[in-house]
Amino acid sequence: QVQLQQWGAGLLKPSETLSLTCAVYGGSFSSYYWSWIRQPPGKGLEWIGEINHSGSITYNPSLKSRVTISVDTSKNQFSLKLSSVTAADTAVYYCARGTTLVRLWGQGTLVTVSS
Amino acid sequence: DIVMTQSPDSLAVSLGERATINCKSSQSVLNSSNNKNYLAWYQQKPGQPPKLLIYWASTRESGVPDRFSGSGSGTDFTLTISSLQAEDVAVYYCQQYYRIPITFGQGTRLEIK
Repeated sequence: QVQLQQWGAGLLKPSETLSLTCAVYGGSFSSYYWSWIRQPPGKGLEWIGEINHSGSITYNPSLKSRVTISVDTSKNQFSLKLSSVTAADTAVYYCARGTTLVRLWGQGTLVTVSS
Repeated sequence: DIVMTQSPDSLAVSLGERATINCKSSQSVLNSSNNKNYLAWYQQKPGQPPKLLIYWASTRESGVPDRFSGSGSGTDFTLTISSLQAEDVAVYYCQQYYRIPITFGQGTRLEIK
């Protein structure tokens, strides 16, 4: 049973950097692309970007200037950093397997940006 | 970006009745080389991540009840629940995966009347 477990700081101040990590347990890491998707409270879904095991990355152009996605194949983990956060970045952040069709999601992490 | 627009924003349907949700894309998501529409539907219940229901506009994901069906092509798509059950109360999202960035509709909240 493949599982995604994610963690990271849940409360940030404006201008700080959001940092989340997602670990993949029980399945192949190298066979898939891995994504980050966010959802502001009560709102819809926004795809942030994707990475594969060899480090091939695609970002959503709307966030590209502030986003870094990285991978650690030795630990079957991938990470998200989002710099210079504002209140508009308050959201539940999900890690996910795949990009085009997402069948496996992490549990989600609520990240709140507040002074 | 391809903009996905769903209608209505919310919908109340009686148990056992049909529910219909529409999704329109700002440009075609039909790939003429393989005749596939790069359109998916997800269901999200409170406190949970979304669940994939339908892909290629009309292919039901394994384990999804057959009361869920998808239709449409090009820019106009529909998700139909033929006989609403209590467990179908959720927010439904369409998603295009034809072009990066992947984009979602704003969601349609489905409730029991």
